[in-house]
Amino acid sequence: EAGVTQSPTHLIKTRGQQATLRCSPISGHTSVYWYQQALGLGLQFLLWYDEGEERNRGNFPPRFSGRQFPNYSSELNVNALELEDSALYLCASSFRDRGLGNIQYFGAGTRLSVL
Amino acid sequence: QKEVEQNSGPLSVPEGAIASLNCTYSDRGSQSFFWYRQYSGKSPELIMFIYSNGDKEDGRFTAQLNKASQYVSLLIRDSQPSDSATYLCASLVYNTDKLIFGTGTRLQVFP
Repeated sequence: EAGVTQSPTHLIKTRGQQATLRCSPISGHTSVYWYQQALGLGLQFLLWYDEGEERNRGNFPPRFSGRQFPNYSSELNVNALELEDSALYLCASSFRDRGLGNIQYFGAGTRLSVL
Repeated sequence: QKEVEQNSGPLSVPEGAIASLNCTYSDRGSQSFFWYRQYSGKSPELIMFIYSNGDKEDGRFTAQLNKASQYVSLLIRDSQPSDSATYLCASLVYNTDKLIFGTGTRLQVFP
């Protein structure tokens, strides 16, 4: 069974441009989460989508946005790129289960470099 | 104050020893705790999760949770050089689905 897949693996953009990152969850998972892992800062929660709706959002500016499609795949869009947006962006997926053992499985990530 | 705190390390242990990784959390609403292992340049991989006070064992790994002290730990017995990685502690506040990560502890196991 395929795990969480993300594309592209690497993305190089310049300041002010827009970046689009894609994620396909594990089959059967309806929830998709996005995290940013900047050097030295650890993983920071960005967004949570479930059943096509944005359910929760981290402390990031509105230029970070996304959506979830009917097949549960998801896009993360970053507008007006800034140098500090350079990071590894990780997508995770899980069942829509509010239980205590709700496990999030991570994809390999997209490394975004803003020049 | 960070919500989940870990010592960044590195924690160096000899092969065959027990590695003890610690984590504290500040939000008493946190109900589940997860340990992920992340090799350099790779994505986090789940090692264990725990939500009840006490110990939970899985092979060479034991997770420990003390909710009164807001403390979580991961013990790795018979440490191997392949265990060398960054270990991330994360908490899940019930009904939010948001994982709050610590900055991770780098473990080095030397032969």
